[in-house]
Amino acid sequence: NAGVTQTPKFQVLKTGQSMTLQCAQDMNHEYMSWYRQDPGMGLRLIHYSVGAGITDQGEVPNGYNVSRSTTEDFPLRLLSAAPSQTSVYFCASSGTPWEQYFGPGTRLTVT
Amino acid sequence: AQSVTQPDIHITVSEGASLELRCNYSYGATPYLFWYVQSPGQGLQLLLKYFSGDTLVQGIKGFEAEFKRSQSSFNLRKPSVHWSDAAEYFCAVGHHSGNTPLVFGKGTRLSVIA
Repeated sequence: NAGVTQTPKFQVLKTGQSMTLQCAQDMNHEYMSWYRQDPGMGLRLIHYSVGAGITDQGEVPNGYNVSRSTTEDFPLRLLSAAPSQTSVYFCASSGTPWEQYFGPGTRLTVT
Repeated sequence: AQSVTQPDIHITVSEGASLELRCNYSYGATPYLFWYVQSPGQGLQLLLKYFSGDTLVQGIKGFEAEFKRSQSSFNLRKPSVHWSDAAEYFCAVGHHSGNTPLVFGKGTRLSVIA
């Protein structure tokens, strides 16, 4: 039981490049979320999903896309990376909306 | 909309001393409240949660928190801090309907000195 896994752990992008951050969970959780963490800002919700095929926007969705084709996977796509998207990204999953289990994070730098 | 305030950005305590981290929330109904801990370079781990019932809740690693509705607070406490408790602590509130994920405070960084 690996819990929540995220790949890659580190990534450097140039402005304008696109990429996908991967998130997978093996706990059969319905709820999955993406957060970004910036110094002094805490965790801010980007997108979330309440089940396969259902996604919704959080507090800071601009510049990011998500889809949820399976229960296990919830990838986050950066469409055209900007320096403001330099951050640490956390994926979380839960059997309820509240008791979230977090992945180890992806540290993204956009130059 | 619900919100969470953690008034202290950084706290330093001596090893063996007691600890209290403050959390205030804004929410129209009885909230679901959580404390998470994040060790350096790690993801977040759930310390404890309050849904209903007894207002003093026990968590892992010797932590406890008390829900005070009159003060809209959910402060985290530990009677004797260990050096390994140095980390960042996040308070979070959840909507009782369960339709949206948690809203987090900005965090309090705890340093422990000998």
